Amino acid sequence: LAKTTQPISMDSYEGQEVNITCSHNNIATNDYITWYQQFPSQGPRFIIQGYKTKVTNEVASLFIPADRKSSTLSLPRVSLSDTAVYYCLVGDLDAGNMLTFGGGTRLMVKP
Amino acid sequence: DAGVIQSPRHEVTEMGQEVTLRCKPISGHNSLFWYRQTMMRGLELLIYFNNNVPIDDSGMPEDRFSAKMPNASFSTLKIQPSEPRDSAVYFCASSNPLAGSNEKLFFGSGTQLSVL
Repeated sequence: LAKTTQPISMDSYEGQEVNITCSHNNIATNDYITWYQQFPSQGPRFIIQGYKTKVTNEVASLFIPADRKSSTLSLPRVSLSDTAVYYCLVGDLDAGNMLTFGGGTRLMVKP
Repeated sequence: DAGVIQSPRHEVTEMGQEVTLRCKPISGHNSLFWYRQTMMRGLELLIYFNNNVPIDDSGMPEDRFSAKMPNASFSTLKIQPSEPRDSAVYFCASSNPLAGSNEKLFFGSGTQLSVL
């Protein structure tokens, strides 16, 4: 079971780019890397997913180096509404791995 | 698509009472997960079902907890008897492995449980 390590918290200012890195040294061959966002009193919400290299969608980019032992979520030009907890999740349900969330990174965006 | 629907949204009960939490997954999703979230322990996976069959319940804390999925559109998580340490937010999530990766989870809004 791939364990993940993220910074506990980060601060940023509106308009800045934020990069949150997750370490997953024992990632397995078939594991995907998925990032979720959670606001208070809500369930986590899917942001982006990748397997290798770079993935970009309308809200974020995900950078994955060749060895896949880490990944970086990049949020361009954050706003106050991006203040949330961000979770990195690594796993492969087909292999019977339990999908366990780590502690997450609490991002605070300041005006 | 209505998303994952959980009920009740809030539940306040007294120690020793039975509590039943309900979940309706997204139509067509064949995997369902129950999570518990607390400040101290974060998000914990309790159990997950695939095609209505419990696959792994090793996260269920003890025998007071039980979960069922009688059909593809409904699941329950029951705590009997409840204890104050069960107070937490309980989330249900579903996914559709056939759509690609099965790690894309869709969460409900959760049930805030308070056991007095």
